[in-house]
Amino acid sequence: NAGVTQTPKFQVLKTGQSMTLQCAQDMNHEYMSWYRQDPGMGLRLIHYSVGAGITDQGEVPNGYNVSRSTTEDFPLRLLSAAPSQTSVYFCASSFWTSGRRGGTQYFGPGTRLTVL
Amino acid sequence: GENVEQHPSTLSVQEGDSAVIKCTYSDSASNYFPWYKQELGKRPQLIIDIRSNVGEKKDQRIAVTLNKTAKHFSLHITETQPEDSAVYFCAASSGSSNTGKLIFGQGTTLQVKP
Repeated sequence: NAGVTQTPKFQVLKTGQSMTLQCAQDMNHEYMSWYRQDPGMGLRLIHYSVGAGITDQGEVPNGYNVSRSTTEDFPLRLLSAAPSQTSVYFCASSFWTSGRRGGTQYFGPGTRLTVL
Repeated sequence: GENVEQHPSTLSVQEGDSAVIKCTYSDSASNYFPWYKQELGKRPQLIIDIRSNVGEKKDQRIAVTLNKTAKHFSLHITETQPEDSAVYFCAASSGSSNTGKLIFGQGTTLQVKP
């Protein structure tokens, strides 16, 4: 298994540009999420999904969109990039089934995004 | 919503000493509390977790304690080694107990000096 994969590893954007960060997992996990990591701020939840067709907002959703058309993929879209979105982005996934109280989250390798 | 506070933000210990990192959470419905270790330039990886029906869990040199009444949990690392140097994050489950949603603390940078 490849686990959780993310592309690209690095990206530089200009203010106002849009782009999509890709995330895929091959572990048949129901739960997938996106975090951003900034110095001193920890990992902040952007959006998450508990299954195909179901998404919800996390702590810092503004400026980002997500969709979940398949169990495997959970892309994150930046609509109009701003310098404040310069960060490292991590995708994570875990098992979730009714009655199970949380499971190990597996993280992807991250995408380092710089917005000029 | 859930809020997780983590202290200290930095911790420096001598090799062989113990290290303790503490977290508090706000949502009394939280029932899953994992700890992640992140080495420089790498992804976070789970090192230990605890559920609300357990007060303490140990795995070799690492232990986690949970006090649900006070809404705080702690990571204990004994006999620290230089390879324990990393950033450590605590997290707590949030919202419905079955969604898998986690809220993370701000992180603790642990330095173990040889």
